[in-house]
Order: sequence, then C-alpha cells, then structure tokens
Amino acid sequence: DADVTQTPRNRITKTGKRIMLECSQTKGHDRMYWYRQDPGLGLRLIYYSFDVKDINKGEISDGYSVSRQAQAKFSLSLESAIPNQTALYFCATRGRTNTGELFFGEGSRLTVL
Amino acid sequence: GENVEQHPSTLSVQEGDSAVIKCTYSDSASNYFPWYKQELGKRPQLIIDIRSNVGEKKDQRIAVTLNKTAKHFSLHITETQPEDSAVYFCAASIGWDTGTASKLTFGTGTRLQVTL
Repeated sequence: DADVTQTPRNRITKTGKRIMLECSQTKGHDRMYWYRQDPGLGLRLIYYSFDVKDINKGEISDGYSVSRQAQAKFSLSLESAIPNQTALYFCATRGRTNTGELFFGEGSRLTVL
Repeated sequence: GENVEQHPSTLSVQEGDSAVIKCTYSDSASNYFPWYKQELGKRPQLIIDIRSNVGEKKDQRIAVTLNKTAKHFSLHITETQPEDSAVYFCAASIGWDTGTASKLTFGTGTRLQVTL
C-alpha cells in the first residue's frame, strides 16, 4: 500500500546536537507538511512544500529547517536541538484532488535532554 | 490568522451513550472543516469533513454539524463503542479542499474515553 514513512521513529538526543527527521512517501503526492504535536496544543504546522522548488514556513518554523530532496522526500532538521523541541513530529502529504485529506506518517518521537 | 478552539479537552462517556465535541473558528471565510481521529500511539486519520455549503453530514454513527453564523461546528458520535476511544482533532481552513489554501489550522484535541 502507498504510505508515508518517517525515520527515525524514536530519537533521544542532547541539547545542541543537530538532528534530522526524514519523511518519504509512495503516494505520488506533491504536497508535503511537517507538524509538531504537543499535549494540549494540538497539531501545529512547522513547514510545508508544494513541490521541490517550493518551501514555506508554517506557524512555528523558528529553530527548524527543511529540505525537499525530491517529490517523495521531505526532511526536517533541528540545527541545534533544545529541550522545548521535545515533541512528536508528523510528516503529512496530500494530493491535488479535491478531497482535502491529509495522510500522516507514523510519527517521530524526539526527546532532547 | 485562523484560530480554532476545541472543547472539551477530555470527555468520558459510557458505552452506548452519545458524545459531542465542539469547535469554534475565528475566520468567517473558512469553508472546510475536517475531523481527524488519533488512536493511542497511532497517526491521525480523517474520519469526516464538511464544507460550508452543507449544514450537516453523516457517516454511520458519526455526524458533523456546522453553524456558519455562530462560527462553530461539532462532531457527534452516537452509540459509542470502546474503539471510539481516541483523541479527536477538529480543523478549519479557507479553500483547503480545492487546493488554494496552504494551511489547515487544528484545534487542541479532545481525548474521548468510552467506558464499559
């Protein structure tokens, strides 16, 4: 089945370290998103991309960067991780149809000590 | 920008009872309102959505109602079952489903617990 895959699924790192979360999809979708989930705060948009040459900031992009290496791959980087970036991160995709459905990956749980 | 408030944050119901989760949005131009369900340890998945030209939509035991005047929409789950236990997120956007919008603004989530 076509899917959205995130790696790593769990990661523990230390303050100041660089960390990359990777997302790949086999759905053939052009639009990809990175969300952060924190208890009581819902899902907040970090970055999104409509194609390889299009990168846009979301509502909480500070401290994060992204790279769209190919239509199927969208990576999220924390250049210098800090403890308040401890969260569950979701990659999501959607296609150009008018259904509007977002397809989420399984999530990457990041802990910054 | 759009702001979506969701209540309650937690909800406990007995199996067979109904559950209602409410969301309000701030931007009167919003016209697409999906609901996502996230089971424990799983990814969020779309369960139902509604567009502003429709006041109500049903799919088996779940339904969503929209009041554009009051700028609120609600998820109704009837005859609740243990497998309905999950976190539910509402969201709102302008033009999301037609591809013109970049952002889907989510509510903060409601943890629904269905007890036996």
